[in-house]
Amino acid sequence: EAGVAQSPRYKIIEKRQSVAFWCNPISGHATLYWYQQILGQGPKLLIQFQNNGVVDDSQLPKDRFSAERLKGVDSTLKIQPAKLEDSAVYLCASSPTGSGTDTQYFGPGTRLTVL
Amino acid sequence: KNQVEQSPQSLIILEGKNCTLQCNYTVSPFSNLRWYKQDTGRGPVSLTIMTFSENTKSNGRYTATLDADTKQSSLHITASQLSDSASYICVVRSSYKLIFGSGTRLLVRP
Repeated sequence: EAGVAQSPRYKIIEKRQSVAFWCNPISGHATLYWYQQILGQGPKLLIQFQNNGVVDDSQLPKDRFSAERLKGVDSTLKIQPAKLEDSAVYLCASSPTGSGTDTQYFGPGTRLTVL
Repeated sequence: KNQVEQSPQSLIILEGKNCTLQCNYTVSPFSNLRWYKQDTGRGPVSLTIMTFSENTKSNGRYTATLDADTKQSSLHITASQLSDSASYICVVRSSYKLIFGSGTRLLVRP
């Protein structure tokens, strides 16, 4: 079974530029998550999708971050414009149903450096 | 406030030795607690999940314990191997929200 795929793996941009990340979840998984993980910290949930609807985006900085999950499969996360404090690893995860005991399967992440 | 605190922040042990990582939480209501292992440059991988009624659960050389009364969990690693070098993250679910700890960074030296 293929895992969660993310691209690119690394991205370096200057502040005020825009950037987009892509995630392909495990086939058949209804729930998709985007996390931001700053060095030395645990992941912080940015947004959770159930199929193509948003379940939780309470911690998404909506003035600069946006995400979509078209057709309930792939997802993109965009930052526009980027700030220095956005430097982090962006993790995508998926789970079969999103229920309480569901296991989340994480992708390898995209490491973003904002200069 | 829902919080998950892990200790120590980092740990260095010799190969073959045992170690125990701690997780204290103030999360209510409590649904379950999960330990993840995160290798450098990789996403977290689930090691074990514990529900309210479970005290101990093992996964190979990893043994997790849960004391729901004191709101503490531990992850014990037996006979450590170099491949155990990673960050270990404790995650507590409260209703539909996940609260992540900051992790313990473990380095196993030969």
